[in-house]
Amino acid sequence: GDSVTQMEGPVTLSEEAFLTINCTYTATGYPSLFWYVQYPGEGLQLLLKATKADDKGSNKGFEATYRKETTSFHLEKGSVQVSDSAVYFCALSDHSNYQLIWGAGTKLIIKP
Amino acid sequence: ETGVTQSPTHLIKTRGQQVTLRCSSQSGHNTVSWYQQALGQGPQFIFQYYREEENGRGNFPPRFSGLQFPNYSSELNVNALELDDSALYLCASSSGTSGRAGDTQYFGPGTRLTVL
Repeated sequence: GDSVTQMEGPVTLSEEAFLTINCTYTATGYPSLFWYVQYPGEGLQLLLKATKADDKGSNKGFEATYRKETTSFHLEKGSVQVSDSAVYFCALSDHSNYQLIWGAGTKLIIKP
Repeated sequence: ETGVTQSPTHLIKTRGQQVTLRCSSQSGHNTVSWYQQALGQGPQFIFQYYREEENGRGNFPPRFSGLQFPNYSSELNVNALELDDSALYLCASSSGTSGRAGDTQYFGPGTRLTVL
């Protein structure tokens, strides 16, 4: 079945460092891909999405490119801030499936 | 525009009891999905409702049931609670045709259920 694999956390970085959180997927068909963020004590918020190959989603300085050839959707940010500390989830949905399938989440800790 | 709201925020029950969780979808959204998120894990899909009918179900037993009302709000009912049901229960709403892959799901803050 479909699945999403994320790099394990926690990922600890200093402020202004470059961030990459890896996400790879397995799916039949052509899924849509999402990154959600969960701040402490809050619900899930959509960060960005891409619905077809080579699409780039971007929001709040974060970017991710849908790479069909490597089945990946890695999250990147050029300069992280303390306020970016949260848990980041990669997820997919495909046209034969109405649910979101999630990775386990990656906790990001940014130190000043 | 009002976002997705859930009630209650927290709930403590004992094993064997029944619980009802509530969700109000975002204005204009006709599809509601429910997820269970255990501590430190990603959410797991429970089921989805589209225009008052169950549209799909994940790998959860029948003691997990739901409803969607004409105003598209929804309830999740869990009977015969077990200790493993302790989790954050998330409701998400989306618009348009049910289950389209590109539809964005917007999440509520969740209900934290503790089963003792």
